Amino acid sequence: ELQLAESGGGLVKPGGSLRLSCAASGFSFSLYTMNWVRQAPGRGLEWVSSISNVGTFIHYADSLKGRFTVSRDNAKNSLYLDMNSLRAEDTAVYYCAREMAELDAFDIWGQGTVVTISS
Amino acid sequence: QSALTQPPSASGSLGRSVTISCTGTSGDIGGYNLVSWYQQHSGKAPRLLIYEVTKRPSGVPDRFSASKSGNTASLTVSGLQPEDEADYFCSSYAGSSGVVFGGGTKLTVL
Repeated sequence: ELQLAESGGGLVKPGGSLRLSCAASGFSFSLYTMNWVRQAPGRGLEWVSSISNVGTFIHYADSLKGRFTVSRDNAKNSLYLDMNSLRAEDTAVYYCAREMAELDAFDIWGQGTVVTISS
Repeated sequence: QSALTQPPSASGSLGRSVTISCTGTSGDIGGYNLVSWYQQHSGKAPRLLIYEVTKRPSGVPDRFSASKSGNTASLTVSGLQPEDEADYFCSSYAGSSGVVFGGGTKLTVL
């Protein structure tokens, strides 16, 4: 079964840091571009970042202004998101998502991990 | 504020059809044939319904169809079923801005 499973979310104070992980199974992880997408409470979806299959190409949403870093370890079938200088507006469910065939469409999603930024 | 504009709500009667619009610009929807649509039930992860403007992944019923004209994309749900009640999001490739999403439309089946 094709699966993505996020972990690492939690409650963090403003200005703090957090590392999210996403474990992939059931498909050849190293062949796919992977993405992070977040959803603030009661809000819409917001694309966060993408990383190509071997990490050559990395892109971020302009709004993140260098605070987040995406990486992957194909040997471990894992995707990561390092988040620094966290703000209240970063509070959201963070999803990892597989991109299908470089079409900017996300065909496999994890269940999400909740990140809450609050003092 | 989301980059793509969707109506916040839509409704349709059981068995009828409803169309949801998604308006962008020439820098996203109008410039690329890379529009996608997602369905999200409450508390669940999104599900891909449509990619490349009109294509359905395997397993998505043909009751879901989509199109694009200029800077506006549309999703039509035909033969509305109770399980179609959900939030629907459009997205588009937007060049150097990556992927942009709409704010979502809450579909109610009457």
